[in-house]
Amino acid sequence: EAGVTQFPSHSVIEKGQTVTLRCDPISGHDNLYWYRRVMGKEIKFLLHFVKESKQDESGMPNNRFLAERTGGTYSTLKVQPAELEDSGVYFCASSQGGVGYTFGSGTRLTVV
Amino acid sequence: AQSVTQLGSHVSVSEGALVLLRCNYSSSVPPYLFWYVQYPNQGLQLLLKYTTGATLVKGINGFEAEFKKSETSFHLTKPSAHMSDAAEYFCAVSSYTGRRALTFGSGTRLQVQP
Repeated sequence: EAGVTQFPSHSVIEKGQTVTLRCDPISGHDNLYWYRRVMGKEIKFLLHFVKESKQDESGMPNNRFLAERTGGTYSTLKVQPAELEDSGVYFCASSQGGVGYTFGSGTRLTVV
Repeated sequence: AQSVTQLGSHVSVSEGALVLLRCNYSSSVPPYLFWYVQYPNQGLQLLLKYTTGATLVKGINGFEAEFKKSETSFHLTKPSAHMSDAAEYFCAVSSYTGRRALTFGSGTRLQVQP
C-alpha cells in the first residue's frame, strides 16, 4: 500500500510569489489533514477534509491560504502571496476513520 | 481546549541507558494520546497510541508509554537506548468526540551517545 505522498519535498520561493503544495492520501482514506511546523515550534493543525468537504478549517492562518480537495482524492494547499513567516514544513496526513493518522514526509517551504 | 507540554526540548542519553521522554497534557474530555517520531529527512511515524483500555501501551521499536490520568501524563520510555533511536519525538492529543485534529507538543530531540 502506498503511503501519503507529498510534493514537492522542498520549495524555495520569493516573497510575494505563489506556491502550491500537493498531497496524495492513501487510497480510500476519506479524511485528509494539513499541518504546519514553523521554525522549531509546535506542529499545528491547519484544516481537515472529509472527502471533498472542509470539515474544520479553524487552523488556517489567514486568507492567503487556500486548500482544495478535488473529487475527494488529492489535495492542494496554495499560498498566495507567500510571506516570510509562511516558511516551515507542511505535513499532510490521512486516515479512514479510526484513531491516528498516516503522515507524509512533508514539504519544506522556504520563502526568501 | 487541549494542550501538550513536553519537558525538555533536548534529551541526551548514553547507548544502553533508559530513555524517558516526558509528556503532560490538558484536555477537558477524555483524550486520545499519541507519540510520533521523526527521523532525519523523514515524515512523522506513529510510535504508539492510547485510546481506551490498558493504560500501558506498547509501541514499535521497544518503546512504551503509560497513561496516568491522575497525573495527566503520558511519558514515553525505552529500557535501553540504541543509536538508531536518535530522532525528534512528538507527543500529541486529540479527543474522541468532535474535533479529531491533533494538538502537538513542541517536540523533544533525543541524542544517543556511544
